[in-house]
Amino acid sequence: SQTIHQWPATLVQPVGSPLSLECTVEGTSNPNLYWYRQAAGRGLQLLFYSIGIGQISSEVPQNLSASRPQDRQFILSSKKLLLSDSGFYLCAWSRGGAGCETQYFGPGTRLLVL
Amino acid sequence: GQQLNQSPQSMFIQEGEDVSMNCTSSSIFNTWLWYKQEPGEGPVLLIALYKAGELTSNGRLTAQFGITRKDSFLNISASIPSDVGIYFCAGCFGAGANSKLTFGKGITLSVRP
Repeated sequence: SQTIHQWPATLVQPVGSPLSLECTVEGTSNPNLYWYRQAAGRGLQLLFYSIGIGQISSEVPQNLSASRPQDRQFILSSKKLLLSDSGFYLCAWSRGGAGCETQYFGPGTRLLVL
Repeated sequence: GQQLNQSPQSMFIQEGEDVSMNCTSSSIFNTWLWYKQEPGEGPVLLIALYKAGELTSNGRLTAQFGITRKDSFLNISASIPSDVGIYFCAGCFGAGANSKLTFGKGITLSVRP
């Protein structure tokens, strides 16, 4: 069976510091991978998605970037965090190569920027 | 862009009651998904619907893919305290790398014992 992990679970960072959140998927190959942000416990905003290694699409302009160095690893980064980057970050995967596949979410990372 | 409407924002019911949640859009979708999110956790898939008119059950949950492909509903029967959470609908349209999942803003369900 497939599992998705996110690390860390919680993070408190000062404004201006860098960020690296990791997402890994097990039990599947060539998945589509997604990063979402959820503010105030509601509403999911798609930030990035990837259909393959090194292939990243950005949905909204922002202070964040994403990378996919390996097939089942997706990383969310920032060089300098802003207060507005605080939120609950969710990684998700779906089967690759097809359309309208169900997305499965990880446990999330709660980020607080002070 | 495509938008999904879920209302009301919050619902309060008594344990044992049935509850129905709707999700509507002005756009057509190929797939409808219903998720539940508990505090501090990621959304968990409840039911997936792939065909217009499809009615699917998962225990006390029943969901339907609207015949117009522009709406879906989720019913929870005989609610229990652990049904508390945020219920999101999501619709998908497109194919391959161009397919996109659009989420509603969610409905927060509270169940009084």
